[in-house]
Formats: sequence, structure tokens, C-alpha cells
Amino acid sequence: QKEVEQNSGPLSVPEGAIASLNCTYSDRVSQSFFWYRQYSGKSPELIMSIYSNGDKEDGRFTAQLNKASQYVSLLIRDSQPSDSATYLCAVISGGYQKVTFGTGTKLQVIP
Amino acid sequence: NAGVTQTPKFRILKIGQSMTLQCTQDMNHNYMYWYRQDPGMGLKLIYYSVGAGITDKGEVPNGYNVSRSTTEDFPLRLELAAPSQTSVYFCASSSLAGGITDTQYFGPGTRLTVL
Repeated sequence: QKEVEQNSGPLSVPEGAIASLNCTYSDRVSQSFFWYRQYSGKSPELIMSIYSNGDKEDGRFTAQLNKASQYVSLLIRDSQPSDSATYLCAVISGGYQKVTFGTGTKLQVIP
Repeated sequence: NAGVTQTPKFRILKIGQSMTLQCTQDMNHNYMYWYRQDPGMGLKLIYYSVGAGITDKGEVPNGYNVSRSTTEDFPLRLELAAPSQTSVYFCASSSLAGGITDTQYFGPGTRLTVL
């Protein structure tokens, strides 16, 4: 079982719609959760971080964490073509702050 | 404030050659990381460092070496390059916030091809 799993996609949504990206993780003692956006040929950049159960909103982005079910999700409202990218889920767990990335979900926003 | 810088941006190596990928951060972060990313794949941790003089292996350390003599610099050494090391290499740094590793900031990457 992969430690951090994401659907590779592509996930296609029309412009203006809500995009929903999901991530599951296997280590129950995971502490911190991050969503990074990566444009083709570029380095990852942070979108959202979340540390406790519930929702966290930042502009058009909402991160949702459910530690009991071991999943974290990212909602993108009013999706724009500029949101088209690969979204990487990262989870931190372990005594030395081990960081594990998922393989990413490719999002395509259709104008 | 340059953040995390990496050199070179691109490099082609022949099998068996060696090289050093440079990484420097100016944010005074204690934690630094080296990742590789193969096409269509996620990031795999090669080595990491929690401070000057302290390094440890990640998920895929074979064929690589690192050193951390200063807080700012974290070079990655490839010895005896092999085609399997063709990849994009990212350096990242982070700090601790409340005892938990905070956001990682990534450099622009080095695209390495081994022929």
C-alpha cells in the first residue's frame, strides 16, 4: 500500500465549476498535511496547509482533513484555466518529520 | 530575498561521470531536502538534513552523497552517473513551527540527463 495515494487523473472540469481533489494516507500518526501546485516544468509551490480536522479556507481554495478516515481533500471553487496543473498532496509523519508526497493529480480546467 | 537557488538548470552527463548539484537557501532554514522527480511521478526523497553537519538518507539514496557544512548550502553529489539517474532534481528547505516541519520552499530544479 502506498503511503500517500492520489488519483493521477486527469480530472477535467469546466471553467467556473468546483474541482475536488482527494488524497488518502496510511500513517495514522501523520501530523501535517499540505497541498502543492506544480505547473509543467516548474517546481512545486504551496497552496494550502492543514493540521487539524475540519475545513480551512483561503480564497477559492478549501482544504478538508479527516484524520479518522485518513483523507485530506482540496476544493477549488470557480475553477480557472490558470488552475490547470498537477496538485501534489504531502503528508508529514514520523519522529524525524518524514515528508511523503503523493504522485499528484493532474487538473484540467476547460474554458 | 532569493529563496532557494539551484545550479545548474540543465546538465547532460555521460555514464560514469560525476557531478555536484548546488543548492543554497537564504531563509535561515534548518531543514533542507533533495528530491528527484521522474516524468509523471511524484517526488522521491533522496537525502535530507536537519542542520549543519547532520544528514540522513531518504527513500532513494543509492548513487548519491550529500554534505551540509553550513546552514545555507546543501550540495548533492552524483558519483558514477547512470541512466537511471536521469531525472529532475529539486532542492527544498523548511523551518520548524511549533515543533512541526513547516512549508517546504522549492528551488527551480535541475534537469539532468545521463547518456
